[in-house]
Amino acid sequence: IAGITQAPTSQILAAGRRMTLRCTQDMRHNAMYWYRQDLGLGLRLIHYSNTAGTTGKGEVPDGYSVSRANTDDFPLTLASAVPSQTSVYFCASSDLEPSSPRETQYFGPGTRLLVL
Amino acid sequence: DQQVKQNSPSLSVQEGRISILNCDYTNSMFDYFLWYKKYPAEGPTFLISISSIKDKNEDGRFTVFLNKSAKHLSLHIVPSQPGDSAVYFCAASARAGFQKLVFGTGTRLLVSP
Repeated sequence: IAGITQAPTSQILAAGRRMTLRCTQDMRHNAMYWYRQDLGLGLRLIHYSNTAGTTGKGEVPDGYSVSRANTDDFPLTLASAVPSQTSVYFCASSDLEPSSPRETQYFGPGTRLLVL
Repeated sequence: DQQVKQNSPSLSVQEGRISILNCDYTNSMFDYFLWYKKYPAEGPTFLISISSIKDKNEDGRFTVFLNKSAKHLSLHIVPSQPGDSAVYFCAASARAGFQKLVFGTGTRLLVSP
């Protein structure tokens, strides 16, 4: 693999169910991010991680949790899905080394989630 | 409060002409700006960026202009090609304090042959 992979590609989920969206990168980037994209709202940051073992809240963290047990993986969990979490979810990573432009984020292909 | 605004949800341009995509921001702490391009069913990809110490950055057919006093930036694509048809997101960050990227709502560009 090269870059960022996300799984599943799409999912239909019943409200109240638990769901984990998977994200794996092979670029050894220290920072990773989860965004949701909604029509008319652009990309909004859900959670981020600057390095393995640390996480932080973004703009819209409620209803979501993340973990960063190692450099490569950054799963996003919906503990009890609600219809308002219907969205397209993008995982991204970036290199936080001072010599690199950290704002250049590399995105995965996305997971399209429908909560009924 | 939308800190980064793209007021035009869509733009249609003929092949060979110039495409101008606009972006406004409200946070005066932003000092680094980027444009990302997104095709359907794909993730966004980085296109071009500009630091606040510059007012122009050029990369091939793509040029980004920054007007700090107006808190406005624009992306010019010359000449436009049908393959440029995509959604373009403007993004900004405040490098001090390690602030995260803030994205605009996107502008869908359609370049017709």
